[in-house]
Amino acid sequence: AQSVSQHNHHVILSEAASLELGCNYSYGGTVNLFWYVQYPGQHLQLLLKYFSGDPLVKGIKGFEAEFIKSKFSFNLRKPSVQWSDTAEYFCAVSPGEYGNKLVFGAGTILRVKS
Amino acid sequence: NAGVTQTPKFQVLKTGQSMTLQCAQDMNHEYMSWYRQDPGMGLRLIHYSVGAGITDQGEVPNGYNVSRSTTEDFPLRLLSAAPSQTSVYFCASRRFVEEGYTFGSGTRLTVV
Repeated sequence: AQSVSQHNHHVILSEAASLELGCNYSYGGTVNLFWYVQYPGQHLQLLLKYFSGDPLVKGIKGFEAEFIKSKFSFNLRKPSVQWSDTAEYFCAVSPGEYGNKLVFGAGTILRVKS
Repeated sequence: NAGVTQTPKFQVLKTGQSMTLQCAQDMNHEYMSWYRQDPGMGLRLIHYSVGAGITDQGEVPNGYNVSRSTTEDFPLRLLSAAPSQTSVYFCASRRFVEEGYTFGSGTRLTVV
């Protein structure tokens, strides 16, 4: 079945550590890629998105992600995490030209220790 | 602009009861959708709509009905609630796919 896979369900880091969250998808053809963040008790907020062009995209709060088409991956990175980055992170893929369905990964819960 | 507004924020239902979760957006977005969020499963698409009068099923549509009579509103109906429908429900909307989706603040539903 076509899906979106996030490699780690829980990640614990110390402040200033580097972060990389993996995301792989199994859809061929045109895809639009997203990372969303959900802070405790809040709704989802868009962190960054890839539609076309430069495969390295920058988002809010110092996050970036790299689209590697050959690996069907869209990994999220941040050079130095802060305590305030504690949240759940979701990779999502909108396959097809019209993107009528947004398929989410299971999410990665990040806890940053101060 | 209020964005995407969901009501109620919390609801407890008894098994077999019916209710409607409301979703409204004031951004003139054609596309609207409903998701449910369960621990360890991410968000799963229930139903979506690409415009007034047009709806389609998502990944987990069973037990839920939708309609889209206006661009602004996209209510989700539970006809006979079951404990398996205990979840957090999010409504989302967008204009163009490359702009990403705007999510509401969610409705936490408990079916006892």
